[in-house]
Amino acid sequence: DSGVTQTPKHLITATGQRVTLRCSPRSGDLSVYWYQQSLDQGLQFLIQYYNGEERAKGNILERFSAQQFPDLHSELNLSSLELGDSALYFCASSRQGGLETQYFGPGTRLLVL
Amino acid sequence: KNEVEQSPQNLTAQEGEFITINCSYSVGISALHWLQQHPGGGIVSLFMLSSGKKKHGRLIATINIQEKHSSLHITASHPRDSAVYICAVRKTSYDKVIFGPGTSLSVIP
Repeated sequence: DSGVTQTPKHLITATGQRVTLRCSPRSGDLSVYWYQQSLDQGLQFLIQYYNGEERAKGNILERFSAQQFPDLHSELNLSSLELGDSALYFCASSRQGGLETQYFGPGTRLLVL
Repeated sequence: KNEVEQSPQNLTAQEGEFITINCSYSVGISALHWLQQHPGGGIVSLFMLSSGKKKHGRLIATINIQEKHSSLHITASHPRDSAVYICAVRKTSYDKVIFGPGTSLSVIP
């Protein structure tokens, strides 16, 4: 158990819908990362937050947005969902947000029908 | 050409064998991560390297920054080592993380 929690574990929804994925980092970790893993594209970095502020941005679509709250939990919002958004979404956390070990959550499996 | 490449793509080994997985990257980096993804999907960070060599149990990771190459070695492999091993790099802590395609390892008893 990494100490990072993600909810929900599984999510099934329809095209065009909007969903919110939630991540709670390990106690004491200030940085949260979001990743997408699809069958055809492998792991892709979406975005990183450090202490509530955006720190680094990757291949995050405009339909997706994220934020980190004062209590350091983070949410990833996915809207206007398409079939291709079906994937495993991982959250990870690290102590300072620098070049350090990241601890991964169990992931949320999203299926868009 | 992908910025991070791994070889081999798939690897089958007999229990007890010494295993090497390679990662090559084309960008300048400050850190390289080796991750292990279990068949159930969970991801564990094995090493974070910026230079030299690290060892943890039967796992050894090395990096050569000048040659833009890293290797992950598993000594005395065991069926529980069966997983996908993924290399990831980062230029700075303000840049995106770039992943390799992964190496799928199967260790047969």
